[in-house]
Amino acid sequence: DAGVIQSPRHEVTEMGQEVTLRCKPISGHNSLFWYRQTMMRGLELLIYFNNNVPIDDSGMPEDRFSAKMPNASFSTLKIQPSEPRDSAVYFCASRLTSGGTDTQYFGPGTRLTVL
Amino acid sequence: KQEVTQIPAALSVPEGENLVLNCSFTDSAIYNLQWFRQDPGKGLTSLLLIQSSQREQTSGRLNASLDKSSGRSTLYIAASQPGDSATYLCAVPSGNTPLVFGKGTRLSVIA
Repeated sequence: DAGVIQSPRHEVTEMGQEVTLRCKPISGHNSLFWYRQTMMRGLELLIYFNNNVPIDDSGMPEDRFSAKMPNASFSTLKIQPSEPRDSAVYFCASRLTSGGTDTQYFGPGTRLTVL
Repeated sequence: KQEVTQIPAALSVPEGENLVLNCSFTDSAIYNLQWFRQDPGKGLTSLLLIQSSQREQTSGRLNASLDKSSGRSTLYIAASQPGDSATYLCAVPSGNTPLVFGKGTRLSVIA
């Protein structure tokens, strides 16, 4: 199994540009999570999906952030327009949710730098 | 709102030493607690998951304990090795949030 795949691994962009991060979850997993990690705030949940449906997006910082999951094997996190304070590592994780006690599997992350 | 605290933030020990990492959480109504490892530039890897009905869980040289009533968990690493150097994070579910993470303890094991 290839694990959770994220692309790109690194992204450098200028303030005001649109940024799209991509995630392919582990095949057969039915839950997908987007996290943001910074030194100051640690790891924060942005949004998560169950069976492709967004369940909780209360962690999405602003309307500039949006996430979609058009099918079970693909999700995107978009930032438009990007700002320097969005610079962070963004992780995608997936899980086979049965009883709510199953572990999440994390991708390698996308390091975003907004100049 | 669940808050997770990990102490210390960083720890440096000589190879071979046994060590304990601490995690505390404010809301004891949890159904499990997980410990993760994060290597530099990498994602998180699950190490141990303790159900609320359990008091401890073991995997190799790692042993995690859970005391729900006091809102604490510890991760014990026996006979530490340089390969154990990483950041260790604990996480608990909270309300609708599947996992709330601590900021981690950065461990360095010196050969």
